[in-house]
Amino acid sequence: AQSVAQPEDQVNVAEGNPLTVKCTYSVSGNPYLFWYVQYPNRGLQFLLKYITGDNLVKGSYGFEAEFNKSQTSFHLKKPSALVSDSALYFCAVRDGNNFNKFYFGSGTKLNVKP
Amino acid sequence: GAVVSQHPSRVICKSGTSVKIECRSLDFQATTMFWYRQFPKQSLMLMATSNEGSKATYEQGVEKDKFLINHASLTLSTLTVTSAHPEDSSFYICSASAGPHTEAFFGQGTRLTVV
Repeated sequence: AQSVAQPEDQVNVAEGNPLTVKCTYSVSGNPYLFWYVQYPNRGLQFLLKYITGDNLVKGSYGFEAEFNKSQTSFHLKKPSALVSDSALYFCAVRDGNNFNKFYFGSGTKLNVKP
Repeated sequence: GAVVSQHPSRVICKSGTSVKIECRSLDFQATTMFWYRQFPKQSLMLMATSNEGSKATYEQGVEKDKFLINHASLTLSTLTVTSAHPEDSSFYICSASAGPHTEAFFGQGTRLTVV
């Protein structure tokens, strides 16, 4: 069965430090992987995606993510965190064998402290 | 990014009545639309997927007769909660995708309260 796991409910990091938000997935076909961000009282916003090609993908606001097939992971990263990055982050996977399946992880709350 | 409009943003209805929620892609054609339910402090639970011109595909455990989905055009999908009960109170979110290899864009969500 398809699934997405975000093992950390919350990640705390100091401003200026690098951040990582973890995500692992399970699908039957090739994975199409996505990261979204949700600010309070706002809809989900698309950050970046991996479909094929280079394992390191770059997205909005300086975020990037690395696809690791052997570890079935797609961790979100940023070299230097900003206080304004504080939000709820969701990892999502779309199954290459069934594009009707678009599943989300449980979300990770990122807190960036000044 | 592309814009998806969801309406209404909030609705209160009496138990036993039906409520319709609209999801529109404003600047692109959405071949697929997804409907989710989000509980407080929890993730998005996929309810069903609709493809334009065909019947919706429901996730296991989601009642087809209770949550009617129609995807009549490439820019509009609707979710109708029939004979709503207080346990149907939740935050419903739609998203739209232009193709199988693309990201989905999200509406703002609808807060449904059944009294």
